[in-house]
Amino acid sequence: DAKTTQPPSMDCAEGRAANLPCNHSTISGNEYVYWYRQIHSQGPQYIIHGLKNNETNEMASLIITEDRKSSTLILPHATLRDTAVYYCIVRYFGNEKLTFGTGTRLTIIP
Amino acid sequence: DTGVSQNPRHKITKRGQNVTFRCDPISEHNRLYWYRQTLGQGPEFLTYFQNEAQLEKSRLLSDRFSAERPKGSFSTLEIQRTEQGDSAMYLCASSLVQGPNTEAFFGQGTRLTVV
Repeated sequence: DAKTTQPPSMDCAEGRAANLPCNHSTISGNEYVYWYRQIHSQGPQYIIHGLKNNETNEMASLIITEDRKSSTLILPHATLRDTAVYYCIVRYFGNEKLTFGTGTRLTIIP
Repeated sequence: DTGVSQNPRHKITKRGQNVTFRCDPISEHNRLYWYRQTLGQGPEFLTYFQNEAQLEKSRLLSDRFSAERPKGSFSTLEIQRTEQGDSAMYLCASSLVQGPNTEAFFGQGTRLTVV
């Protein structure tokens, strides 16, 4: 699986949009971009995934650049409960395991 | 609660003792995964099952570790002759494979402390 690079930490004001970047410059054509988050003392939680097109669900939006070498996870209206470590993972179809890096620790500030 | 359930939530054991953890996946999920997470790091894959068959094992899974899923439902992870380096959070996840995109649902983990 392609390696990902994320900033170690970010802050965001409550109510504002949180934009979490991820670089995956070695991604190949059959690899998907997944985002998970882990709130303190809990297991990781799936957020969203995509291949080429931008995706949106009830939790977040995923913007993937045209060359697919980077992506941004957007939490449109961050709340205190969004404070967590966010992991960007690249995984090819058929690979069962998730390869987590160290993620981005997002802190939502009141 | 219909999520992934792990027991116990916490386990303290003396070095050299054996420990066993249990994972109950979401009902009807055919895939079950074990991960290990140490402080400040992301989870690391250990092994996974398709129904009762163990299909992949990481090299992190030394011969002191064994995992089973006897009837394709719950799973156990046993660590024999525990060492202090085994102290970690052990996470279980399950998924229902229905195509190329598999969303894994994680339990809250079992935190092991070896003293």
